Amino acid sequence: DAKTTQPNSMESNEEEPVHLPCNHSTISGTDYIHWYRQLPSQGPEYVIHGLTSNVNNRMASLAIAEDRKSSTLILHRATLRDAAVYYCIKAVGGSQGNLIFGKGTKLSVKP
Amino acid sequence: DVKVTQSSRYLVKRTGEKVFLECVQDMDHENMFWYRQDPGLGLRLIYFSYDVKMKEKGDIPEGYSVSREKKERFSLILESASTNQTSMYLCASSFGTGRTYGYTFGSGTRLTVV
Repeated sequence: DAKTTQPNSMESNEEEPVHLPCNHSTISGTDYIHWYRQLPSQGPEYVIHGLTSNVNNRMASLAIAEDRKSSTLILHRATLRDAAVYYCIKAVGGSQGNLIFGKGTKLSVKP
Repeated sequence: DVKVTQSSRYLVKRTGEKVFLECVQDMDHENMFWYRQDPGLGLRLIYFSYDVKMKEKGDIPEGYSVSREKKERFSLILESASTNQTSMYLCASSFGTGRTYGYTFGSGTRLTVV
């Protein structure tokens, strides 16, 4: 199964860190983990992706478990603009790079 | 800033009309994709293209066709629009295999068929 498992929704307070979990227990060695987010009435926006090692960029950090069966997207200081649906996607090798989206986690940020 | 541009933000068409949704990217990406997004169903892949004049069916190609005559442009065609094709349509592009480099999405076209 190419889909991942994420909580339907999460809440956070503004300026606090947020940890968004994702399970991908059927991942294989060449599958990348991608995270995208989507604001209302917008297209999805790339956040971060990785293969084995933890990754950091200006938007977030991605922590990948040692067995690669789970990962966590970390927003270091949530802002109101981070309220969105966050999608964790297992990008399967050999599939021309097609991303298969699940239902994602709806993140609410309280002021 | 790199971009994927979809020609229309909102579109209203009549049942039976032929509809063209246009997508242009300025990043010299090989791969381009068309998805539709519906409440409760998430994003579903309609068609994708990994090169000029090449196309591959996605999960829900019925009722749609595509055209890629130039590398930067990928068009989605609804041959005879029906009300069940009312949806948000999203175009995306990627360099190489998107799994390695990530996708860039457009802002979407919300199509209503009446």
